[in-house]
Amino acid sequence: GENVEQHPSTLSVQEGDSAVIKCTYSDSASNYFPWYKQELGKRPQLIIDIRSNVGEKKDQRIAVTLNKTAKHFSLHITETQPEDSAVYFCAARASRLGNEKLTFGTGTRLTIIP
Amino acid sequence: SQTIHQWPATLVQPVGSPLSLECTVEGTSNPNLYWYRQAAGRGLQLLFYSVGIGQISSEVPQNLSASRPQDRQFILSSKKLLLSDSGFYLCAWSEHVYEQYFGPGTRLTVT
Repeated sequence: GENVEQHPSTLSVQEGDSAVIKCTYSDSASNYFPWYKQELGKRPQLIIDIRSNVGEKKDQRIAVTLNKTAKHFSLHITETQPEDSAVYFCAARASRLGNEKLTFGTGTRLTIIP
Repeated sequence: SQTIHQWPATLVQPVGSPLSLECTVEGTSNPNLYWYRQAAGRGLQLLFYSVGIGQISSEVPQNLSASRPQDRQFILSSKKLLLSDSGFYLCAWSEHVYEQYFGPGTRLTVT
């Protein structure tokens, strides 16, 4: 089955700097890669996703890049702000008959230092 | 638009007691439904998922069970709770093979 590894597990950056979180996946059939942000005590929220037919997607200060050959994808947050502090989860799903589930990474706790 | 509800929001139960958590989705039909558990400070563990009424797939052997009596209703149950069942229980739905959205969660403490 699919295996998703996420690094780093914790990340601290100065406010205004950029943050990058990386994930690798094992199943070459994976074609959907979402990112979730979970604030303390809240539900995970889908913040951005990418499908395998594109290499990069941006939404304001966040972007996701995908390298299918190397089987890794990354979340980039620019001009970080205190409200970016949260746990971020990557996930992957292979488009395969009967495969209806996402495989999640173990999470990255991002702390923005004012 | 679609909305997902979970109740109760918080629950404190003694060891050995039964459990029933409910999740309902509005504004869609025949969604895929999922139950996750998140231990304190940990990741998301998929427990069960369902692609239709009465169709349940179990991911982790445990003392929990799930049922889907109606198209947009998903129930998580246990006959006897263990201390290790404490955690944040999240229901999620997806309309197709892409976007998946989580409910507000139920925080369960087993004492």
